[in-house]
Formats: sequence, structure tokens, C-alpha cells
Amino acid sequence: GENVEQHPSTLSVQEGDSAVIKCTYSDSASNYFPWYKQELGKRPQLIIDIRSNVGEKKDQRIAVTLNKTAKHFSLHITETQPEDSAVYFCAASIVASGTYKYIFGTGTRLKVLA
Amino acid sequence: DAGVTQSPTHLIKTRGQQVTLRCSPKSGHDTVSWYQQALGQGPQFIFQYYEEEERQRGNFPDRFSGHQFPNYSSELNVNALLLGDSALYLCASHQRQPFLDEQFFGPGTRLTVL
Repeated sequence: GENVEQHPSTLSVQEGDSAVIKCTYSDSASNYFPWYKQELGKRPQLIIDIRSNVGEKKDQRIAVTLNKTAKHFSLHITETQPEDSAVYFCAASIVASGTYKYIFGTGTRLKVLA
Repeated sequence: DAGVTQSPTHLIKTRGQQVTLRCSPKSGHDTVSWYQQALGQGPQFIFQYYEEEERQRGNFPDRFSGHQFPNYSSELNVNALLLGDSALYLCASHQRQPFLDEQFFGPGTRLTVL
């Protein structure tokens, strides 16, 4: 079935350290993988995404890697700051009926300790 | 250019009642998806509309229904509300062509069922 597993569920790091969140997807046809940051009571905000024809993408302190063979993708945040504290969701795009939908992971609550 | 908008922001209902949530997609978008996000969970896909028809559906009962209007706006209806329907309901829009994979989320409607 359609499934995205996300680990860990909570992650605490010291300010300035790196944080890594990992996801595994089930549908081998998925070809687009966005990452969202969600602050309490707000909508998910896209922070970075990657397509299946790319193995890695970086945007300042944030990077995402994709291993299509293993169906794994990961979010890497370097030099973490207190404002990075939020819940992060990975997602995989599922194509069907001429369009697509997202299957989301269960989320990772990141706490950056000052 | 307005992004995705949703109304109302918050809603309180009692068990057994019916509710209608509304979504206006981002300008230029013709496809609307609805997601349910329970507290502490990732968004779950409910259904998707384009060309005024339901095109994909997630694992939700028939109590959840929807509609899309000629101007691409959409409604989500939930009948016979249960306590478990309490959640943040997110609307997301995208354009089917060109096929870009990105969805844009609205701010959500927080539904509380008492």
C-alpha cells in the first residue's frame, strides 16, 4: 500500500549541531519528495523538495538526499538554530488518474536547545 | 496574487451535526485536494477534485463528501460528525498542466467536535 515512514518522531539537538530526519516510501513510482516545516497552529510550509532524477539538493543550511533504489530520502539541517524548532514532515507524491496526491510521514518534532 | 484561502478559520460543532468547509485555490490552479491533520499526526489525504469531479479518494468514509465549482473553488462536507473528526482540515491546490508536482497549502480550518 501507499505508505511513508518517518524517523525519528522527536529529535533534540544543541544549537549549532546538525539534525537528520529520514523517510522511507513504498511506491516505487513516486518521483517527487517535498519536505514541510509546520509551526504550531500554522499550515505546512515547503522548505525543500527533490525530484527522482536528482540525488541531492541543497539550499543554504538545508539539504535533502534521495536513494531511489532503497526508497529512502533524508533531510539534513546544519548549524541548527532555535528558530528551526518545529515539526517536520516528509511526503511522497503518488501519481494516479492523471494527477497526483501526497502521502505524508508521521512527522518529526525537532527541538533545538540554546 | 492571493494564495490558497480557506474559511472559516475555526469551527466548533457537536456530535451528529454537519459541517461545510470552503477553499479557494491559488490563482491559476485548477485542482484542489483536501487533507485531514489530527493533532500530532501528518496530513491524511481525503480526496481531490478537478473538472468539478472527485478524481481520487483516500481511506475516508462516505460521511466525507465534496464539491468543486466552475471557478475551481471547493467545499468539504462532513455529515454525522464524530469526536474523532476533530482536526485541522487543509486544502491544497495545484495546476494539472504543466505537471509540476508542487501543491500549495491553505491556512487550514480547525474543526472541534464536542
